[in-house]
Amino acid sequence: EVQLVESGGGLVQPGGSLRLSCAASGFTLSDYWMHWGRQAPGKGLVWVSHINSDGTGTTYADSVKGRFTISRDNAKNTLYLQMNSLRAEDTAVYFCARGAYPGALDSWGQGTLVTVSS
Amino acid sequence: QSALTQPPSVSGSPGQSVTISCTGTSSDVGSYDRVSWYQQPPGTAPKLMIYEVSNRPSGVPDRFSGSKSGNTASLTISGLQAEDEADYYCSSYTSSHTYVFGTGTKVTVL
Repeated sequence: EVQLVESGGGLVQPGGSLRLSCAASGFTLSDYWMHWGRQAPGKGLVWVSHINSDGTGTTYADSVKGRFTISRDNAKNTLYLQMNSLRAEDTAVYFCARGAYPGALDSWGQGTLVTVSS
Repeated sequence: QSALTQPPSVSGSPGQSVTISCTGTSSDVGSYDRVSWYQQPPGTAPKLMIYEVSNRPSGVPDRFSGSKSGNTASLTISGLQAEDEADYYCSSYTSSHTYVFGTGTKVTVL
């Protein structure tokens, strides 16, 4: 069974940093592109970033470019999101997801909540 | 990148059909067949329902169908059931090599 489990969320002050992790099991991580998305409380889904299967290619939404960095360790079956210079508007549940079909995310984790507040 | 435009809500009685529109631009929906749809009941993770405009992953009922014309994609739920009540989001690949989600539509079964 495919499983994605996010961790690392919590309360952080504006300007602070946080690193999220996404532990993958039930499939070979190195075979898939992976994504991060987020959802502010009571709001819609927003795509954040993706990384290709070997980690050599990444893309970001304009709202996080230059502040967030996606990475992966296929040997540890883990995806990461390093978040720096955090702002109140980054407050959201962050999901990791697998890209199994062209342009589609077929498996999602349950998410980890990041709250940016003083 | 602006979110794709969806109606805030649609509703229907059990057994009826409802259609959700998803309007983008020539830089996303209009140029790529990488349009997908997701179902998200309250408090849960999204679930993929349609990929590449009209394909259903294994396990998704054939009551769900997708289509596209120009800059607008659509999701139709035929034979509406109580379990279909959820938020639905479209998504598209973009010319910037990123992805964009729609604004979301709440489906209510009357």
